[in-house]
Amino acid sequence: ILNVEQSPQSLHVQEGDSTNFTCSFPSSNFYALHWYRWETAKSPEALFVMTLNGDEKKKGRISATLNTKEGYSYLYIKGSQPEDSATYLCAPSGGYQKVTFGTGTKLQVIP
Amino acid sequence: EAQVTQNPRYLITVTGKKLTVTCSQNMNHEYMSWYRQDPGLGLRQIYYSMNVEVTDKGDVPEGYKVSRKEKRNFPLILESPSPNQTSLYFCASSPGQGVEKLFFGSGTQLSVL
Repeated sequence: ILNVEQSPQSLHVQEGDSTNFTCSFPSSNFYALHWYRWETAKSPEALFVMTLNGDEKKKGRISATLNTKEGYSYLYIKGSQPEDSATYLCAPSGGYQKVTFGTGTKLQVIP
Repeated sequence: EAQVTQNPRYLITVTGKKLTVTCSQNMNHEYMSWYRQDPGLGLRQIYYSMNVEVTDKGDVPEGYKVSRKEKRNFPLILESPSPNQTSLYFCASSPGQGVEKLFFGSGTQLSVL
């Protein structure tokens, strides 16, 4: 089981603020890094899957970066909106779909 | 519509009474997997399957069984449920390459009394 750490555990921001979260994982035996968005009472939905060191992905106001050598990924949200309120899960993979999920960062955007 | 369908959404049962949670996907995905979600813990993998008749244990397989007789279906079987299996369960699928994103079902909230 990979040791995955996400910080912070929870976060409250004002509407319009930008924010970011961290995912740390073992740099050895890295295969891919997934980010998922999980709204209350719904299912997790994929945001990004990244594989290459230095990779950057963007989807609207949300972006992510990856550093495989030091074992971390950042997720950024620009101009947070109430609909961004969710738990954001990071999931590194050490092999063929052997995905290990972190406990997530719970984001609350206050209108 | 491409989706992963799980049933039932909610289930209350008693200790020892065998149950099956069904999972079906209509995307012709090779890979399917079961996870459980407990407070304070991340999603933990129970079993996964890389193709028909190919299954393997995840991180927390004890007390569970699975089968993959058809590509689209991957049921989770609890032969003798116990209260520590009370949890939120998710089925997920992906096309099968290691870097493909997972598509999740709607979840099954199981309570074992």
